[in-house]
Amino acid sequence: GAVVSQHPSWVICKSGTSVKIECRSLDFQATTMFWYRQFPKQSLMLMATSNEGSKATYEQGVEKDKFLINHASLTLSTLTVTSAHPEDSSFYICALWIFAGGSTDTQYFGPGTRLTVL
Amino acid sequence: KQEVTQIPAALSVPEGENLVLNCSFTDSAIYNLQWFRQDPGKGLTSLLLIQSSQREQTSGRLNASLDKSSGRSTLYIAASQPGDSATYLCAVRYNTDKLIFGTGTRLQVFP
Repeated sequence: GAVVSQHPSWVICKSGTSVKIECRSLDFQATTMFWYRQFPKQSLMLMATSNEGSKATYEQGVEKDKFLINHASLTLSTLTVTSAHPEDSSFYICALWIFAGGSTDTQYFGPGTRLTVL
Repeated sequence: KQEVTQIPAALSVPEGENLVLNCSFTDSAIYNLQWFRQDPGKGLTSLLLIQSSQREQTSGRLNASLDKSSGRSTLYIAASQPGDSATYLCAVRYNTDKLIFGTGTRLQVFP
């Protein structure tokens, strides 16, 4: 399987500041990465699909100007939460596809980043 | 609308019990279904993946079944251990790159 890292693992910031979260694929090249958000005791909700070299595709209801995604290389995608507010406090998880061919393709997940906005 | 739900939402059992976790999905035209484990404050670990043409998959003490026609999957955990304590998520993939996650079952196995 693939190894996915995220940095930082946790971050606390003041309201109004911007926070950048990195997602790295350590052993596979990933043309597609996914960003999820998880609120306490809730399931994962897909925010956007990050495509290397092109614009990200955002899910309905996710503000693309607030959650900036950059996928500049095959091993790195970044999510920047701009002008963060307390309601943005959440657990952010990235994932990447490993295409084995067919219906066994699966996503590999990073360890997540806990964002707390004061 | 494609939705995935899981019951129970939480489960607390003594060590050694056999467990059944349930997952249901509204659209039966799935591509595959996957069960994940999530430890508190951590990412997800894939446990089992069932293709749409399969009825079950097994890994160690875990067995997952799939009944597409009824829109259900179950995860069976045999002889539960305290180390099995975690949140278990099922996720359905349709004919896209996206996964739709269930609401999760928080499992606690006490000694």
